[in-house]
Amino acid sequence: AQSVSQHNHHVILSEAASLELGCNYSYGGTVNLFWYVQYPGQHLQLLLKYFSGDPLVKGIKGFEAEFIKSKFSFNLRKPSVQWSDTAEYFCAVITNRDDKIIFGKGTRLHILP
Amino acid sequence: NAGVTQTPKFQVLKTGQSMTLQCAQDMNHNSMYWYRQDPGMGLRLIYYSASEGTTDKGEVPNGYNVSRLNKREFSLRLESAAPSQTSVYFCASIRARNEQFFGPGTRLTVL
Repeated sequence: AQSVSQHNHHVILSEAASLELGCNYSYGGTVNLFWYVQYPGQHLQLLLKYFSGDPLVKGIKGFEAEFIKSKFSFNLRKPSVQWSDTAEYFCAVITNRDDKIIFGKGTRLHILP
Repeated sequence: NAGVTQTPKFQVLKTGQSMTLQCAQDMNHNSMYWYRQDPGMGLRLIYYSASEGTTDKGEVPNGYNVSRLNKREFSLRLESAAPSQTSVYFCASIRARNEQFFGPGTRLTVL
């Protein structure tokens, strides 16, 4: 069965630090990949997505992610985080097999002011 | 254009009571989903519907039923609520293996 692993469950950083959140998926075929953000008390919002083409994708709020097919990875990065980036981040995958979207368990990011 | 709407926003039930969570989308999306979100567990798929008239089980379907009433509406029913079903429930929709749009969520407590 397809699955998504997010290795960091809870990350604490200071403002201006660089961020990288890991995401790996298990599926051998074609995938569409997503990163979502959930601010406290809110629903999930799309940060960025990858379907095809340039494996380095840029999203909103200065976030980017790199798709490395050989590693089945889609890591999220931001060069300099802000206090307002405090939120929970979810990686998600949809395969070419069906319309099921599989989410990782999420990474809770806490930025110290 | 309201996107995805859910009702109610909050609900408290007693063990054994039943209720239906309503979800509607006005984006003409084919696929709709119900998830539950629990601390440390991420979003777990309960049921999804790839098109009007079809539904499929997700990861945690036990204790739930769904109805895809038409293209717009996808309801989730708890026939006999249990404390283990205390959670936040999100409905979502997509057009075609693309970005999901989420509703605001329903916070359900079962006593």
